Amino acid sequence: AQSVSQHNHHVILSEAASLELGCNYSYGGTVNLFWYVQYPGQHLQLLLKYFSGDPLVKGIKGFEAEFIKSKFSFNLRKPSVQWSDTAEYFCAVINQAGTALIFGKGTTLSVSS
Amino acid sequence: EAGVAQSPRYKIIEKRQSVAFWCNPISGHATLYWYQQILGQGPKLLIQFQNNGVVDDSQLPKDRFSAERLKGVDSTLKIQPAKLEDSAVYLCASSLDLDRVNYGYTFGSGTRLTVV
Repeated sequence: AQSVSQHNHHVILSEAASLELGCNYSYGGTVNLFWYVQYPGQHLQLLLKYFSGDPLVKGIKGFEAEFIKSKFSFNLRKPSVQWSDTAEYFCAVINQAGTALIFGKGTTLSVSS
Repeated sequence: EAGVAQSPRYKIIEKRQSVAFWCNPISGHATLYWYQQILGQGPKLLIQFQNNGVVDDSQLPKDRFSAERLKGVDSTLKIQPAKLEDSAVYLCASSLDLDRVNYGYTFGSGTRLTVV
């Protein structure tokens, strides 16, 4: 069955630092990958998604992710974080049936000003 | 467009009591999901509907959890009787259709359940 691993449980950064959050998935076939963000007190929101084409995907708020098939990875990056990026970040993959998303355990990002 | 509506936002019950959550998806969305998010973990799929039919309920603890979407629009999730380990946020999400899941889906704000 499909699964997603997020290696960093809690990341603490200062403003303007660069961010990279790791995500690895288990399935070797065609994959659809997602990053969702949950700001404090808000609902889960889609940051970006990949399902084909350019492996470098750009999302909202300056985030991007790179799909590396050989490494089964889809890491999230941002060159310079802001205090407002403090949130929980979830990587997700579509299941093999193509009908639902499977989520990782999430990474909590804390940005200090 | 209006988002996914869920109620109540918070619920505190004693163990062995019953509780129900309600979800109204985005208008026109055929696919509806219920997820359970335990503190410190990612959302876990409980059940998935396509219109009023169940697509996948393999991870739903059917001895105590039930869900329905009778008219293919809003949905209710029920727990009876509740256990302490059911304390979690229950998230509802919807997607336009099964073949549009690869575009991602929209989540509601969730219902935070505390079982004491």
